[in-house]
Amino acid sequence: SQQGEEDPQALSIQEGENATMNCSYKTSINNLQWYRQNSGRGLVHLILIRSNEREKHSGRLRVTLDTSKKSSSLLITASRAADTASYFCATETGGQNFVFGPGTRLSVLP
Amino acid sequence: GAVVSQHPSWVICKSGTSVKIECRSLDFQATTMFWYRQFPKQSLMLMATSNEGSKATYEQGVEKDKFLINHASLTLSTLTVTSAHPEDSSFYICGKTGGNGYTFGSGTRLTVV
Repeated sequence: SQQGEEDPQALSIQEGENATMNCSYKTSINNLQWYRQNSGRGLVHLILIRSNEREKHSGRLRVTLDTSKKSSSLLITASRAADTASYFCATETGGQNFVFGPGTRLSVLP
Repeated sequence: GAVVSQHPSWVICKSGTSVKIECRSLDFQATTMFWYRQFPKQSLMLMATSNEGSKATYEQGVEKDKFLINHASLTLSTLTVTSAHPEDSSFYICGKTGGNGYTFGSGTRLTVV
């Protein structure tokens, strides 16, 4: 089974609203990362949060990590139409490769 | 940041032919690169780990004779889909690790007709 699982699977919001996506995983991790993928394109790394960190910020992005609940959330504040994309979490447990969740498809409506 | 160049970005081929996809590390050498496959509206599934100068490590269920991986230099890994069939149509993405996670290529959309 997949290590990371996002919810919701799809999310539609209006421009200016905040978008929250959640990721749950099953085993202990070294770090967790969030990526964005525009339709038909490669993935872009957004944020990496290590297992000993609880929160990180990058611009309009805020990521939290709760290792006791094995979950993470990605918050995009003041969303823009350009934020429309699929967002994936990926967990790294060792050995350099990562396991990706199924993703959340975010639509930001103008 | 780290840069990975993947080529071609899309390819259409006839059933039974082979297709080679290249993945280059443009900034620093990468002894290990990763190949993923992504079906429409699905997540990325790791196919294999490409190791410079040695055999690739394939994930369970991935046919190594069908998906040939060559990592002959520290900056280039190639994935060749041999005797392609329509069910091989997918989005293939390579990536390498850096200090803060993966850097991915832009992906290759393969369509087998």
